Amino acid sequence: GENVEQHPSTLSVQEGDSAVIKCTYSDSASNYFPWYKQELGKRPQLIIDIRSNVGEKKDQRIAVTLNKTAKHFSLHITETQPEDSAVYFCAASRTDSWGKLQFGAGTQVVVTP
Amino acid sequence: DVKVTQSSRYLVKRTGEKVFLECVQDMDHENMFWYRQDPGLGLRLIYFSYDVKMKEKGDIPEGYSVSREKKERFSLILESASTNQTSMYLCASIPDTFGEQFFGPGTRLTVL
Repeated sequence: GENVEQHPSTLSVQEGDSAVIKCTYSDSASNYFPWYKQELGKRPQLIIDIRSNVGEKKDQRIAVTLNKTAKHFSLHITETQPEDSAVYFCAASRTDSWGKLQFGAGTQVVVTP
Repeated sequence: DVKVTQSSRYLVKRTGEKVFLECVQDMDHENMFWYRQDPGLGLRLIYFSYDVKMKEKGDIPEGYSVSREKKERFSLILESASTNQTSMYLCASIPDTFGEQFFGPGTRLTVL
């Protein structure tokens, strides 16, 4: 089955700097890659996703890149703010799997003022 | 606005008890999921259901069972709770086979 690895496990950044989280996946049939943000004590929420027919997607300060050949994808957060502090999860799935997601272990991002 | 609710935010049970965790979604979603979340391990899929009375094992089904008698309700059952099942349990639903999963608020289960 699919295996998703996520790095780093923790990331400390100064406010205003950029943050990058990287994930690799094992199943070449995976074609959907979402990122979820979980603030302390709250439920995970989707922040951005990308499908395998696209190499990059951007939404304001966040962007995701996908390299299908290398089977890795990354989340980029620019101009970080304290409210970006959270745990971020990458995930992968394929269209024939009922929406089942394989999650990475998560990255704790701390943005210090 | 999609709403996914779970029956309890916090639950404390004794070893050997039968435990029921309930999840309800109000948006007529087809597929529902149960995950457990542990520090450093991310979200691991226990079971999922793609239709009423239909269920499939996820990655860690041992010690758990599920029930989906109605489309909006998906229950997770711990037949005989053990201390290693102390965890945060999250339910999620999705309208189809692709796209955003909507999560419930989670149930923090402690088994003593």
